[in-house]
Parts: sequence; C-alpha cells; structure tokens
Amino acid sequence: EVVLTQSPGTLSLSPGERATLSCRASQSVSSNYLAWYQQKPGQTPRLLIYGASSRATGIPDRFSGSGSGTDFTLTISRLEPEDFAVYYCQQYGSSFTFGPGTKVDIK
Amino acid sequence: QVQLLQSEAEVKKPGASVKVSCRASGYAFTGYGISWVRQAPGQGLEWMGWTSTYSDDVKYAPKFQGRVTMTTDTSTSTAYMELRSLTSDDTALYFCARGNYYIHWGQGTLVTVSS
Repeated sequence: EVVLTQSPGTLSLSPGERATLSCRASQSVSSNYLAWYQQKPGQTPRLLIYGASSRATGIPDRFSGSGSGTDFTLTISRLEPEDFAVYYCQQYGSSFTFGPGTKVDIK
Repeated sequence: QVQLLQSEAEVKKPGASVKVSCRASGYAFTGYGISWVRQAPGQGLEWMGWTSTYSDDVKYAPKFQGRVTMTTDTSTSTAYMELRSLTSDDTALYFCARGNYYIHWGQGTLVTVSS
C-alpha cells in the first residue's frame, strides 16, 4: 500500500501570501497519478489538480501542482480568503490512498 | 449533468451491517469505476475501495478487506457499499465518487453506529 504523508499539518498564513504544501509517498507514484483536493467545512471535496500538475476545470491559475516520483507539491501563489481550507493529496497509481491533509488557516 | 445520488442516513447498532447506495445519472455508468470514501467526524478522507462498473474487478483497502462488499447494478446505474460488523468507529459520512480522481462526488450518507 502506498502511504502518503502531508506536511505541514497546519499552515498559518495571511491573505496574499504564498502557500506551499508537501505530499510525500512511501514509494514512487505510478505515472505521477497524484491528485489534490480542497475541502471546506460541510462541503464535499473539490478536485484541484490531477496527474500531479494538471488543473481541473474551473480551478484558478493561482493553484499549481508539481513533482514526480515520491515528492509532490501544491502551491497557491497568492492566498485568497476563500482558499483557507483543508487540502488532501491522493494517489491513484497503485490502488488508491489519501494523505492525512494539511489545514491552511488564517494567521 | 453528472449526478451521484446517495441513500439516506442510517442509524445502526454495533454488530449490524449497513448498505449504502449511489445512483448515477447524466453519463454512461459503465464508463467509469466508482470509489467509496469515508470521513469520520472531524477527521480526514479515507479511501475504502473501488469497483469496476463493467467487470467483476474490485479493490478494497486492506483495513476493510473481509468486512466490506462493493457491487454495482448496471440496469439501474447504481453502486452499493455494504459494511458489516459495525462498531462506533464506523460512524462517518460515506461518499461515493466517480473515476480514479474524483471530479464528481455523491452528497454523502451519514452512518451512525450507536447502541
């Protein structure tokens, strides 16, 4: 089973700042099949990124994904008020697993 | 438009089973597999398993192997997830989601396990 670790657990930032979230896999993610989701309280998760770096339809370009193999990054270039949420990575290259999440909260 | 409509909330006693349904519409059901994901109160997302909608292929997370069964009915475009031997730790919101990465999600079914 591919285990995903996300860091940090919580990221405290101000609007306008840059957010860098990490997702590390216990083994190489096949074909870089790595997705990122955003979840706000009381809502279903929203797909942001798939294939490590492809933005889903309608996702603003301030969200970008990068990485390969075992190390992946989600970057939010300038935080907007609506971006404060929990972010999960998910791999779908070898079965499926989710990371534990990173909470981005307001400093 | 793509919709995944899940069954209503359930309350079960410890040791019982629950079967949650997920009816798909707005697309060709057999074109995508269906995953089941759960989220306990205040906790993260937990992938439970995936089922093909056109073959017998199914994958379960090791944690649930032997206690969960995922099936589909192509005649009604519905996926099912049955979880047995429930404990209070199974109290969670259960989601179905389409495909390998999840653009489309069901609305969630709250399963409460309480004596």
